Amino acid sequence: DIQMTQSPSSLSASVGDRVTITCRASQSVSNYLNWYQQKPGKAPKLLIYAASSLQTGVPSRFSGSGSGTDFTLTISSLQPEDFATYYCQGSYGTPWTFGQGTKVELK
Amino acid sequence: QVQLQESGPGLVKPSQTLSLTCTVSGGSISSGAYYWSWIRQPAGKGLEWIGRIYTSGSINYNPSLKGRVAISLDTTKNQFSLQLSSVTAADTAMYYCARDIAAADGWARYLDYWGQGTLVTVSS
Repeated sequence: DIQMTQSPSSLSASVGDRVTITCRASQSVSNYLNWYQQKPGKAPKLLIYAASSLQTGVPSRFSGSGSGTDFTLTISSLQPEDFATYYCQGSYGTPWTFGQGTKVELK
Repeated sequence: QVQLQESGPGLVKPSQTLSLTCTVSGGSISSGAYYWSWIRQPAGKGLEWIGRIYTSGSINYNPSLKGRVAISLDTTKNQFSLQLSSVTAADTAMYYCARDIAAADGWARYLDYWGQGTLVTVSS
Protein backbone atom coordinates (compact mmCIF):
# COMPACT_ATOMS: atom_id res chain seq x y z
CA ASP A 1 0.00 0.00 0.00
CA ILE A 2 1.11 3.56 -0.64
CA GLN A 3 1.47 5.45 2.65
CA MET A 4 0.51 9.12 2.82
CA THR A 5 2.19 11.24 5.48
CA GLN A 6 0.98 14.73 6.28
CA SER A 7 2.78 17.47 8.15
CA PRO A 8 2.22 19.06 10.46
CA SER A 9 -0.36 17.02 12.38
CA SER A 10 -1.78 20.25 13.75
CA LEU A 11 -1.14 23.95 13.48
CA SER A 12 -2.38 27.14 15.07
CA ALA A 13 -3.06 30.11 12.87
CA SER A 14 -4.92 33.40 12.80
CA VAL A 15 -7.54 34.69 10.40
CA GLY A 16 -5.75 36.13 7.38
CA ASP A 17 -2.70 33.88 7.71
CA ARG A 18 -1.26 31.93 4.82
CA VAL A 19 -1.35 28.24 5.71
CA THR A 20 0.58 25.42 4.05
CA ILE A 21 0.05 21.71 4.64
CA THR A 22 2.28 19.09 3.06
CA CYS A 23 1.62 15.49 2.07
CA ARG A 24 4.27 12.98 1.13
CA ALA A 25 3.59 9.66 -0.57
CA SER A 26 5.76 6.60 0.09
CA GLN A 27 6.08 6.14 -3.69
CA SER A 28 5.08 8.19 -6.70
CA VAL A 29 1.34 8.76 -7.15
CA SER A 30 1.84 10.97 -10.24
CA ASN A 31 -0.81 13.68 -9.82
CA TYR A 32 -3.39 11.32 -8.32
CA LEU A 33 -3.66 13.25 -5.07
CA ASN A 34 -6.77 14.78 -3.56
CA TRP A 35 -7.43 17.06 -0.60
CA TYR A 36 -10.49 17.03 1.65
CA GLN A 37 -11.71 19.28 4.45
CA GLN A 38 -13.61 17.83 7.39
CA LYS A 39 -15.42 19.77 10.09
CA PRO A 40 -16.54 18.13 13.36
CA GLY A 41 -19.57 15.88 12.91
CA LYS A 42 -19.56 16.31 9.15
CA ALA A 43 -18.50 14.23 6.17
CA PRO A 44 -15.29 15.17 4.38
CA LYS A 45 -15.66 17.70 1.58
CA LEU A 46 -13.56 17.60 -1.59
CA LEU A 47 -11.40 20.70 -2.07
CA ILE A 48 -8.73 19.79 -4.63
CA TYR A 49 -8.46 16.84 -7.02
CA ALA A 50 -5.67 15.69 -9.31
CA ALA A 51 -3.19 17.61 -7.14
CA SER A 52 -4.11 21.10 -8.34
CA SER A 53 -7.66 21.21 -9.73
CA LEU A 54 -10.08 23.22 -7.63
CA GLN A 55 -13.43 21.49 -7.08
CA THR A 56 -16.43 23.50 -8.26
CA GLY A 57 -17.70 25.85 -5.59
CA VAL A 58 -14.52 25.80 -3.48
CA PRO A 59 -13.09 29.29 -2.78
CA SER A 60 -10.03 30.27 -4.78
CA ARG A 61 -8.00 30.87 -1.61
CA PHE A 62 -7.47 27.09 -1.63
CA SER A 63 -4.81 25.78 -3.98
CA GLY A 64 -2.85 22.58 -4.45
CA SER A 65 0.47 21.78 -6.03
CA GLY A 66 2.95 18.98 -6.46
CA SER A 67 3.47 15.75 -8.30
CA GLY A 68 5.20 12.45 -7.73
CA THR A 69 5.65 12.13 -3.98
CA ASP A 70 5.43 15.67 -2.59
CA PHE A 71 2.30 17.77 -2.47
CA THR A 72 1.10 20.96 -0.85
CA LEU A 73 -2.27 22.42 0.09
CA THR A 74 -2.21 26.18 0.58
CA ILE A 75 -4.85 28.46 2.04
CA SER A 76 -3.83 31.94 0.97
CA SER A 77 -5.78 33.87 3.60
CA LEU A 78 -7.33 31.79 6.36
CA GLN A 79 -10.99 32.50 7.01
CA PRO A 80 -13.02 31.63 10.15
CA GLU A 81 -14.83 28.83 8.30
CA ASP A 82 -11.52 27.19 7.36
CA PHE A 83 -10.75 25.93 10.85
CA ALA A 84 -11.08 22.18 10.27
CA THR A 85 -9.09 19.01 9.66
CA TYR A 86 -7.56 18.48 6.23
CA TYR A 87 -6.76 15.10 4.67
CA CYS A 88 -4.76 14.19 1.61
CA GLN A 89 -5.67 11.02 -0.27
CA GLY A 90 -3.79 9.12 -2.94
CA SER A 91 -5.73 7.47 -5.75
CA TYR A 92 -2.89 5.75 -7.61
CA GLY A 93 -4.18 2.19 -7.59
CA THR A 94 -6.06 0.52 -4.77
CA PRO A 95 -6.27 0.46 -1.83
CA TRP A 96 -6.73 4.21 -1.65
CA THR A 97 -5.08 5.68 1.40
CA PHE A 98 -5.48 8.89 3.35
CA GLY A 99 -2.99 10.95 5.29
CA GLN A 100 -3.46 11.07 9.04
CA GLY A 101 -4.94 14.57 8.88
CA THR A 102 -3.85 18.09 9.77
CA LYS A 103 -5.97 19.99 12.26
CA VAL A 104 -6.00 23.74 11.71
CA GLU A 105 -6.87 25.55 14.94
CA LEU A 106 -7.35 29.15 15.94
CA LYS A 107 -4.28 30.72 17.51
CA GLN B 1 -27.70 17.41 -7.19
CA VAL B 2 -26.56 13.93 -6.21
CA GLN B 3 -27.24 12.92 -2.62
CA LEU B 4 -26.17 9.82 -0.73
CA GLN B 5 -27.72 8.51 2.48
CA GLU B 6 -26.43 5.66 4.61
CA SER B 7 -28.78 3.45 6.60
CA GLY B 8 -28.51 0.39 8.80
CA PRO B 9 -28.26 -0.80 12.40
CA GLY B 10 -26.32 1.42 14.73
CA LEU B 11 -25.40 -1.47 17.04
CA VAL B 12 -23.93 -4.81 16.01
CA LYS B 13 -22.81 -7.63 18.29
CA PRO B 14 -19.25 -8.94 18.12
CA SER B 15 -18.73 -11.78 15.60
CA GLN B 16 -21.87 -10.79 13.71
CA THR B 17 -22.17 -9.14 10.29
CA LEU B 18 -22.46 -5.40 9.85
CA SER B 19 -24.83 -4.48 6.99
CA LEU B 20 -25.26 -0.97 5.63
CA THR B 21 -27.04 0.45 2.61
CA CYS B 22 -26.37 3.66 0.73
CA THR B 23 -29.30 5.15 -1.18
CA VAL B 24 -28.40 7.45 -4.06
CA SER B 25 -30.79 10.18 -5.20
CA GLY B 26 -30.52 12.84 -7.87
CA GLY B 27 -29.07 10.46 -10.43
CA SER B 28 -29.02 6.85 -11.53
CA ILE B 29 -26.47 4.61 -9.86
CA SER B 30 -25.98 2.75 -13.14
CA SER B 31 -25.28 5.75 -15.35
CA GLY B 32 -21.88 7.18 -15.94
CA ALA B 33 -18.44 5.87 -15.19
CA TYR B 34 -18.70 5.94 -11.42
CA TYR B 35 -17.46 3.76 -8.65
CA TRP B 36 -19.54 3.68 -5.47
CA SER B 37 -17.39 3.58 -2.37
CA TRP B 38 -17.37 2.95 1.37
CA ILE B 39 -15.04 4.72 3.81
CA ARG B 40 -14.95 4.54 7.60
CA GLN B 41 -13.59 6.65 10.43
CA PRO B 42 -13.20 5.58 14.06
CA ALA B 43 -14.00 8.33 16.52
CA GLY B 44 -11.19 10.86 16.70
CA LYS B 45 -9.14 9.06 14.05
CA GLY B 46 -8.44 9.21 10.35
CA LEU B 47 -10.20 7.89 7.27
CA GLU B 48 -9.93 4.33 5.98
CA TRP B 49 -11.01 3.36 2.48
CA ILE B 50 -13.00 0.10 2.61
CA GLY B 51 -13.70 -0.58 -1.04
CA ARG B 52 -15.73 0.31 -4.11
CA ILE B 53 -17.96 -1.15 -6.78
CA TYR B 54 -18.19 -0.05 -10.40
CA THR B 55 -21.45 0.27 -12.29
CA SER B 56 -20.41 -2.81 -14.29
CA GLY B 57 -20.02 -4.77 -11.06
CA SER B 58 -16.22 -4.69 -10.87
CA ILE B 59 -15.12 -4.47 -7.23
CA ASN B 60 -12.00 -3.43 -5.30
CA TYR B 61 -11.53 -4.10 -1.58
CA ASN B 62 -8.98 -3.00 0.99
CA PRO B 63 -6.83 -6.06 1.74
CA SER B 64 -6.53 -4.86 5.36
CA LEU B 65 -10.07 -6.15 5.93
CA LYS B 66 -8.84 -9.66 5.21
CA GLY B 67 -11.73 -10.94 3.13
CA ARG B 68 -14.43 -9.91 5.62
CA VAL B 69 -15.96 -7.30 3.32
CA ALA B 70 -18.49 -7.51 0.50
CA ILE B 71 -19.95 -4.64 -1.52
CA SER B 72 -22.92 -5.05 -3.82
CA LEU B 73 -25.07 -2.95 -6.11
CA ASP B 74 -28.88 -2.91 -6.50
CA THR B 75 -29.65 -0.82 -9.55
CA THR B 76 -33.40 -1.39 -9.22
CA LYS B 77 -33.39 0.44 -5.88
CA ASN B 78 -30.55 2.84 -6.75
CA GLN B 79 -28.63 1.53 -3.76
CA PHE B 80 -25.33 -0.11 -2.94
CA SER B 81 -24.51 -2.04 0.18
CA LEU B 82 -21.70 -3.00 2.53
CA GLN B 83 -21.40 -6.19 4.51
CA LEU B 84 -18.57 -6.67 7.01
CA SER B 85 -18.44 -10.03 8.73
CA SER B 86 -16.94 -11.22 12.02
CA VAL B 87 -16.92 -7.72 13.46
CA THR B 88 -15.03 -6.73 16.58
CA ALA B 89 -14.83 -3.54 18.62
CA ALA B 90 -12.15 -2.35 16.19
CA ASP B 91 -14.86 -2.04 13.53
CA THR B 92 -16.71 0.60 15.56
CA ALA B 93 -16.67 3.71 13.40
CA MET B 94 -18.58 6.26 11.38
CA TYR B 95 -19.25 4.68 7.99
CA TYR B 96 -19.55 6.88 4.91
CA CYS B 97 -20.63 6.10 1.39
CA ALA B 98 -19.31 8.23 -1.45
CA ARG B 99 -19.21 8.57 -5.23
CA ASP B 100 -15.86 8.00 -6.95
CA ILE B 101 -15.53 9.87 -10.22
CA ALA B 102 -12.78 10.34 -12.78
CA ALA B 103 -11.33 13.70 -13.74
CA ALA B 104 -11.48 14.94 -17.31
CA ASP B 105 -8.26 13.11 -18.12
CA GLY B 106 -10.06 9.86 -17.38
CA TRP B 107 -7.39 8.70 -14.95
CA ALA B 108 -7.29 10.83 -11.81
CA ARG B 109 -10.11 9.77 -9.52
CA TYR B 110 -11.61 11.35 -6.43
CA LEU B 111 -14.61 11.24 -4.08
CA ASP B 112 -16.91 14.11 -4.96
CA TYR B 113 -20.18 13.34 -3.15
CA TRP B 114 -20.41 11.87 0.35
CA GLY B 115 -23.23 10.72 2.58
CA GLN B 116 -23.56 12.26 6.03
CA GLY B 117 -22.30 9.07 7.63
CA THR B 118 -23.79 6.52 10.00
CA LEU B 119 -22.27 5.49 13.31
CA VAL B 120 -21.92 1.76 13.89
CA THR B 121 -20.96 0.50 17.33
CA VAL B 122 -19.84 -3.08 17.88
CA SER B 123 -20.76 -4.15 21.37
CA SER B 124 -22.53 -6.95 23.15
